[in-house]
Amino acid sequence: QVQLQESGPGLVKPSQTLSLTCTVSGGSISSGSYYWSWIRQPAGKGLEWIGRIYTSGSTYYSPSLKSRVTISVDTSKNQFSLKLSSVTAADTAVYYCARVYPISTGRFDQWGQGTLVTVSS
Amino acid sequence: QSALTQPASVSGSPGQSITISCTGTSSDVGGYNYVSWYQQHPGKAPKLMIYEVSNRPSGVSNRFSGSKSGNTASLTISGLQAEDEADYYCSSYTSSSTWVFGGGTKLTVL
Repeated sequence: QVQLQESGPGLVKPSQTLSLTCTVSGGSISSGSYYWSWIRQPAGKGLEWIGRIYTSGSTYYSPSLKSRVTISVDTSKNQFSLKLSSVTAADTAVYYCARVYPISTGRFDQWGQGTLVTVSS
Repeated sequence: QSALTQPASVSGSPGQSITISCTGTSSDVGGYNYVSWYQQHPGKAPKLMIYEVSNRPSGVSNRFSGSKSGNTASLTISGLQAEDEADYYCSSYTSSSTWVFGGGTKLTVL
C-alpha cells in the first residue's frame, strides 16, 4: 500500500515562498500510471486543487494559482515538491499531497495526512 | 474555474437515506464521467468513496452510491449510520485538464 507524507515548515512569513515536500513510500513515483498532486484546505473551508505533476516533469496548475506555483519531482528520492511564492495570510491552510489514478482524468485515491502551514509574521 | 456547488449541510436519522448534490457545468461535471466523492472526518485526510460517477473503491460500503444527470452529480448514502457523519466533497475533471472540488457538505446524523 503506497503511503504519502508531507513535510516542510509550519510557519512562513508573508511575501516569502512556501516550500513543501511529499515523500512517497511503498511504491515508485516513477510509475507511469499516476499523477502526483497538491491540494489545500483553509481551516473550516473546502478543498482546493493546486496542481499536478507527472513523472516526466510535466505539470498543470490551477489557473487561480498558476502565477505563483511550481511543482517539481525528484524521482531519485521518490519525492515531489510544492513551491508557492509571495504568500499571504490567505494561503494559510492544511496542504495535502495526493496520488491521481489513472493519469489524465483520475481520482485522488491516496492522500497524505496533511500538514498545516500558517502564513504570519 | 468556479467551485462545484454543493448544499452546505444535510441531515438524516439512522437508517434513513440522504442524497448530496453537486452541480457544475458542461465543462466539468456535465462533460465527463470523471466525478468522484470524498468523505472527510474532522482532522483527517479525505477518503475516496466514489469514482467515475458511480464506482466504489474496494472496501467502501455498498451503502454509498453515485449517479449523474446532466451537470449535476449525486451521492446517496442509504441506511445512515453514526459513523457516516462527516464532510463530503465532490470533484470533477475539467475541460482545462484540471480538477475542481465542490464547497463541501456537512452530513449530520441525528
